[in-house]
Amino acid sequence: GQNIDQPTEMTATEGAIVQINCTYQTSGFNGLFWYQQHAGEAPTFLSYNVLDGLEEKGRFSSFLSRSKGYSYLLLKELQMKDSASYLCAVRDSNYQLIWGAGTKLIIKP
Amino acid sequence: EPEVTQTPSHQVTQMGQEVILRCVPISNHLYFYWYRQILGQKVEFLVSFYNNEISEKSEIFDDQFSVERPDGSNFTLKIRSTKLEDSAMYFCASSEVTPDRGVGNTIYFGEGSWLTVV
Repeated sequence: GQNIDQPTEMTATEGAIVQINCTYQTSGFNGLFWYQQHAGEAPTFLSYNVLDGLEEKGRFSSFLSRSKGYSYLLLKELQMKDSASYLCAVRDSNYQLIWGAGTKLIIKP
Repeated sequence: EPEVTQTPSHQVTQMGQEVILRCVPISNHLYFYWYRQILGQKVEFLVSFYNNEISEKSEIFDDQFSVERPDGSNFTLKIRSTKLEDSAMYFCASSEVTPDRGVGNTIYFGEGSWLTVV
């Protein structure tokens, strides 16, 4: 079966750094996505990784290791508005997006 | 910035009724999706659509569901006879398709349509 695992909830302090991990087992791999979703809103695209390594985009970075079936999203200089759910999703061999349940990130002042 | 638009934003319907959710994808995008998210649960893939036909569909997308591109701009999801468990947020999404790279790596989501079946 196909499976995406990520922690249910994490708490971090404003200004700090947090790393959200994601592990996956899917039938084929055509890229890994990170999305941000505020409650009641649509997911918004954050990053895409298809090759191993780190992709940096401002305060957010995403890392991929295909051999380990592992990715992380790194958020730096946390702001209160970063409080949201972060969704890891993998595109499989059929180009379907398989979604994780999301990690709810709580930012405390 | 171009965006995917969806209507209605909210709909309450009685069990057994038909519902049509409408979407206008980004104008130069050719690959379209419907996803749903039951309250508090993960996003689930329903169907993808390209070149006027279904490209992929999930187990959720059974005979009560259908999709259509009735004209050059709209993309609709029809639920024929709604059930209580169809209550969810339904997201339309689109991505571009280019001759050299195929389906784009960024999938743009609409704001969603909240469907409540009573």
